[in-house]
Amino acid sequence: EVQLVESGGGLVQPGGSLRLSCAASGFTFSNFWMNWVRQAPGKGLEWVANINQDGTEKYYVDSVKGRFTNSRDYAKNSLYLQMNSLRAEDTAVYYCTRGYISNLYWGQGTLVTVSS
Amino acid sequence: DIQMTQSPSSLSASVGDRVTITCRASQSISRNLNWYQQKPGNAPKLLISVTSSLESGVPSRFSGSGSGTDFSLTISSLQPEDFATYYCQQSYSTPPFTFGPGTKVDIK
Repeated sequence: EVQLVESGGGLVQPGGSLRLSCAASGFTFSNFWMNWVRQAPGKGLEWVANINQDGTEKYYVDSVKGRFTNSRDYAKNSLYLQMNSLRAEDTAVYYCTRGYISNLYWGQGTLVTVSS
Repeated sequence: DIQMTQSPSSLSASVGDRVTITCRASQSISRNLNWYQQKPGNAPKLLISVTSSLESGVPSRFSGSGSGTDFSLTISSLQPEDFATYYCQQSYSTPPFTFGPGTKVDIK
């Protein structure tokens, strides 16, 4: 059974940093693109970033370029999102997803709140 | 970046109604369009990929069509479990793979 479990969310002050993790199981992690999608409270979905199978291709939405970094650890079957210079508008539930053309598998999400 | 719009933003319908949601891309995306359903407190669920390919386990009352810039999701006979928010997403060429703003379907 495919499972994606996010962790690392919490309350952080504006300008601060946070690292999200996504533990993957039930599939061969190195065979799939992985993504981060976020949803601000009461708002719609926003595609944030993705990374290819071997970590050599990374894409980001413009609003997080230069602040967020996507990476993956094959020994731990984990995906990471390092978030720096956080802003109030980054407040959202962050979902980890699997896939490239479409996102069939989603985690349960982890809430990031940026507030003083 | 490709922008996505959806209409309507919300609709009220009754069980048994035929419901159609439209999605428009700011440029041609061929058939690279997905549809998701999200219920409150849950992660989104992929219903349809590549315009019209129904995911395993998704009821056949859901269907998708379109190409280029204009797409639609149709629910042929709305069921109680279909009341939710629906999002389209384009996955054309290279990321970012933007989502539409969503269409909330609630009970009339």
